[in-house]
Amino acid sequence: SQQGEEDPQALSIQEGENATMNCSYKTSINNLQWYRQNSGRGLVHLILIRSNEREKHSGRLRVTLDTSKKSSSLLITASRAADTASYFCATEVNNDMRFGAGTRLTVKP
Amino acid sequence: DTAVSQTPKYLVTQMGNDKSIKCEQNLGHDTMYWYKQDSKKFLKIMFSYNNKELIINETVPNRFSPKSPDKAHLNLHINSLELGDSAVYFCASSLMGQLTGELFFGEGSRLTVL
Repeated sequence: SQQGEEDPQALSIQEGENATMNCSYKTSINNLQWYRQNSGRGLVHLILIRSNEREKHSGRLRVTLDTSKKSSSLLITASRAADTASYFCATEVNNDMRFGAGTRLTVKP
Repeated sequence: DTAVSQTPKYLVTQMGNDKSIKCEQNLGHDTMYWYKQDSKKFLKIMFSYNNKELIINETVPNRFSPKSPDKAHLNLHINSLELGDSAVYFCASSLMGQLTGELFFGEGSRLTVL
């Protein structure tokens, strides 16, 4: 069964704008991860946030985690056309990694 | 050097046939996985192997059988292929199970059943 659900399903923005994607999940987690998938390629790990962390940064990426609301957000600042991809959240529950269906981000040059 | 490699990248076959997808990782990881991604992009775990031992077997049909000759390889064999098996299959690996976090994915094998 799926665990994380990303929102929105699709997002289209102009280069330079910020992109925010959200993830909601159902059960308690050990950690939450975000992955990126370019069209026709495998998933690539972006960032991991543990259940006792609230915010994490990596370059232009900012991830927040609210365990009380069972939700996370991924913010990409100053987006570039090369950021066009699908973004997935994944939650680890008892040694089992579950993915959502992803947010399809399109960044227009 | 490719960390997780899977072959073939594309596979087109007829219903009823048997096919295999191979996966190899050169990362020295202990755990390997097979995921299925359907046309709606849902990514669902199918199997997980830790040091050649099956530790996850989601409700997939018995026609799917993973085989791990050693901890660097996890092959997926599918018998009596059906139309609904058409999907992209991803192999992945991680160190010491998923508690360390990061999964490393292969590039995927797109299976089309006609």
